[in-house]
Amino acid sequence: DIQMTQSPASLSASLGETVTIECRASEDIYNGLAWYQQKPGKSPQLLIYNANSLHTGVPSRFSGSGSGTQYSLKINSLQSEDVASYFCQQYYDYYTFGAGTKLELK
Amino acid sequence: EVQLQQSGPEVGRPGSSVKISCKASGYTFTDYVMNWVKQSPGQGLEWIGWIDPEYGSTDYAEKFKKKATLTADTSSSTAYIQLSSLTSEDTATYFCAPGTRDWFAYWGQGTLVTVSS
Repeated sequence: DIQMTQSPASLSASLGETVTIECRASEDIYNGLAWYQQKPGKSPQLLIYNANSLHTGVPSRFSGSGSGTQYSLKINSLQSEDVASYFCQQYYDYYTFGAGTKLELK
Repeated sequence: EVQLQQSGPEVGRPGSSVKISCKASGYTFTDYVMNWVKQSPGQGLEWIGWIDPEYGSTDYAEKFKKKATLTADTSSSTAYIQLSSLTSEDTATYFCAPGTRDWFAYWGQGTLVTVSS
């Protein structure tokens, strides 16, 4: 099974700041990676797929990058509505999720 | 517009079973597999398995092979997950999410299952 190691587990940032969340796969997942945002009591919402493709309707301040085993999600100019948990998911070989990153405002 | 309406919260006694539904609309039900995902309280996400509604074929994560049973009713565009031999470890929110065996663009609202005596 492919394991996904996500970091950091929690993150505190100020409005307008740029934040980066990372995921490392236990083996090459050939860009088969998605990022989701989840707010309390809600279902996850797709942000990025294929490592760097922005899902329809997602603000352009969100971006994804990476290849091989290392991937990252960057949020530029942090907004208050970005306070949420973020998860990565590999779909190269079945599905595995990262443990999540809880993003709070400083 | 794709919509996934899941059934309401369930309380199950230890050792019993519960069955959750996910009614799909806004797309052709048989064109996509239906995935199920578990989220334990304050925890991350685990993929349980998927069912292909057109053929009834299923695939499960090893961990859930003896715990979950996936079915689908094409006449009502509804997918089901039955969880058996409930323990406290099964207390979680369960989501349905259709897909083409890659990312999950749509998710149900989630169904909370609480195991309690």
